[in-house]
Amino acid sequence: VQLVESGGGLVQSGRSLRLSCTASGFILADYALHWVRQAPGKGLEWVSTISWNSDFIAYADFVRGRVTSSRDNAKNSLYLELNSLRPEDTAFYYCAKGTDNYGIGTLDYWGPGTQVTVSS
Amino acid sequence: QSALTQPPSASGTPGQRVTISCSGTSANIGDNSVDWYLQLPGTAPRLLIYSTNRRPSGVPDRFSGSKSGTSASLAISGLRSEDEAEYYCATWDDSLGGHVFGTATKVTVL
Repeated sequence: VQLVESGGGLVQSGRSLRLSCTASGFILADYALHWVRQAPGKGLEWVSTISWNSDFIAYADFVRGRVTSSRDNAKNSLYLELNSLRPEDTAFYYCAKGTDNYGIGTLDYWGPGTQVTVSS
Repeated sequence: QSALTQPPSASGTPGQRVTISCSGTSANIGDNSVDWYLQLPGTAPRLLIYSTNRRPSGVPDRFSGSKSGTSASLAISGLRSEDEAEYYCATWDDSLGGHVFGTATKVTVL
């Protein structure tokens, strides 16, 4: 199982960024996927969960309305559209595979993460 | 998003047993199983304990998890230098409709 994030970078406050996560080694369509972030020197923060068929998508309060999570099972990919970015969104963003297809279970495999830096 | 509460630090000498607590509510730990993750500096988190007390393949049996009511615990027995890391508990929160992580515990081997 392998997950690799991409799309991070330095962006100005108020702009947008689209993160991608490419998966391999398992059947993506069978599992929920998650985004978790970690600000510099801080702990892990759950950002979003998307079920296997995209019927269930959940967001943390601090990103709701500014973020859209989506997936393309045919392309083995997960996406996170970040809009109206703020300096406090600066963090490492990890994608993770769930153990269930709905999204309330364990996050068993994680990617190495991609850095998002938002300048004011 | 409210986090689960963990002590910021824990320590022990090699061979000792260290326990990390994780406190939540009836909406999260009280109603769902708990997972534990380990994070070494500069690396992604990795799963250490799932479903409260089960170990993924490759995790030594020195690591064990338990839960009682709205609290969970991770125990590390036979502490080793390579156990120095940040440890996080996590679970699903029925009220928030999302996952919640603990505030992290840094384990130091003296």
